[in-house]
Amino acid sequence: ETGVTQSPTHLIKTRGQQVTLRCSSQSGHNTVSWYQQALGQGPQFIFQYYREEENGRGNFPPRFSGLQFPNYSSELNVNALELDDSALYLCASSFTPPEGNQPQHFGDGTRLSIL
Amino acid sequence: GEDVEQSLFLSVREGDSSVINCTYTDSSSTYLYWYKQEPGAGLQLLTYIFSNMDMKQDQRLTVLLNKKDKHLSLRIADTQTGDSAIYFCAESINYQLIWGAGTKLIIKP
Repeated sequence: ETGVTQSPTHLIKTRGQQVTLRCSSQSGHNTVSWYQQALGQGPQFIFQYYREEENGRGNFPPRFSGLQFPNYSSELNVNALELDDSALYLCASSFTPPEGNQPQHFGDGTRLSIL
Repeated sequence: GEDVEQSLFLSVREGDSSVINCTYTDSSSTYLYWYKQEPGAGLQLLTYIFSNMDMKQDQRLTVLLNKKDKHLSLRIADTQTGDSAIYFCAESINYQLIWGAGTKLIIKP
């Protein structure tokens, strides 16, 4: 069974640039969630994708956007990068049967640094 | 409102039991989770409990849930140096997880 994989592992960008982070979900999972984890804090929910549509969103501005593909993999795009966007970005996949969410399994994250 | 609280640090001697505590505020949570994060790594799902249960045991791990007090605990029996990590409590509300700030478990020899 293949787990959740994220790429790249590390990334350095400058303010104002754009970035795309990628995630492959665990086999058998159809739902992908993205989280931002600042240093020394717990993760904050960005959004979730199910059946290629946004299924819920946390308190993040519209410059954070995403996609889910037919194979359930996903991308997180961030435009107009700000210094505060420096964080570990975590992707989690789960299987969502009709009766509700199941436990989320995480990748190792992408460490994004903004200079 | 949604809020999950944990102590920031816990120090135990190797071989002793560790008990990490968590309080949450939303009684509509469906699942409550414990995740482990080692330095520079992602989050590893340790165990979880459905909100209609009050205890779950999985090898060295025991989860206790007190719904009346909205209190969740994780007990690690026979704590080893490999248990050194940050432990996060999270509650599931609809489609998202709400997280505590994490408890750093420090193992003394």
